Amino acid sequence: QVHLVQSGAEVERPGASLKVFCKASGFTFTNYFIHWVRQAPGQRPEWMGWIHVGNGDTKYSQKFQGRIILTRDTSATTAHMQLSSLTSEDTGTYYCARGLGAVSGWHFDNWGQGTHVTVSS
Amino acid sequence: DIVVTQSPLSLPVTPGEPASISCRSSQSLLYSNGYNYLDWYLQKPGQSPQLLIYLGSNRASGVPVRFSGSGSGTDFTLKISRVEAEDVGIYYCIQTVQTPFIFGQGTRLEIK
Repeated sequence: QVHLVQSGAEVERPGASLKVFCKASGFTFTNYFIHWVRQAPGQRPEWMGWIHVGNGDTKYSQKFQGRIILTRDTSATTAHMQLSSLTSEDTGTYYCARGLGAVSGWHFDNWGQGTHVTVSS
Repeated sequence: DIVVTQSPLSLPVTPGEPASISCRSSQSLLYSNGYNYLDWYLQKPGQSPQLLIYLGSNRASGVPVRFSGSGSGTDFTLKISRVEAEDVGIYYCIQTVQTPFIFGQGTRLEIK
């Protein structure tokens, strides 16, 4: 059974950096992409980027370019998302989601439970 | 960036009745392989989004047959043949033909 379990809620100060992890189980981790999606309160979800777990390639939304780093630890079957220079607009719920590549379609067939992040002074 | 527009934004439905949600994009979502890169998700209250339909018309694993997706190019529709109480939540379409992947504003389905 596929599981993506994320790290717990975070409270961060403006200007700080956020790191969220996503522990995968129940599937061959290196065969997939892991996407990160965030959702501000009451807003639509927003795609942030993906990492190909097998080779480490990444693709980021231009909106987050320069602030986001996606990494993975294949031995620990864990993906990480780091977001720097936080502002109050980064408050929201951050999700990891599993997907296949372009040929199969970029849809996200399994999601983590979400990590609630509050940025406040 | 591609603009994705859903309608309606709110959809009150009587149980057992059909429901339909529209999703339009500012550019064609038809990929070079002949598939439309448009997916549908349902976010139930307090939960993560869950995949309903991928590549325009393919039901995801475990999704009831009352859900169907159709459309091509820039115009897509999600239909629920007979709404059940468990279908309440916010429905989102998303284009994945090019990055950044963009979600629609969402359609909140509620039971009358």
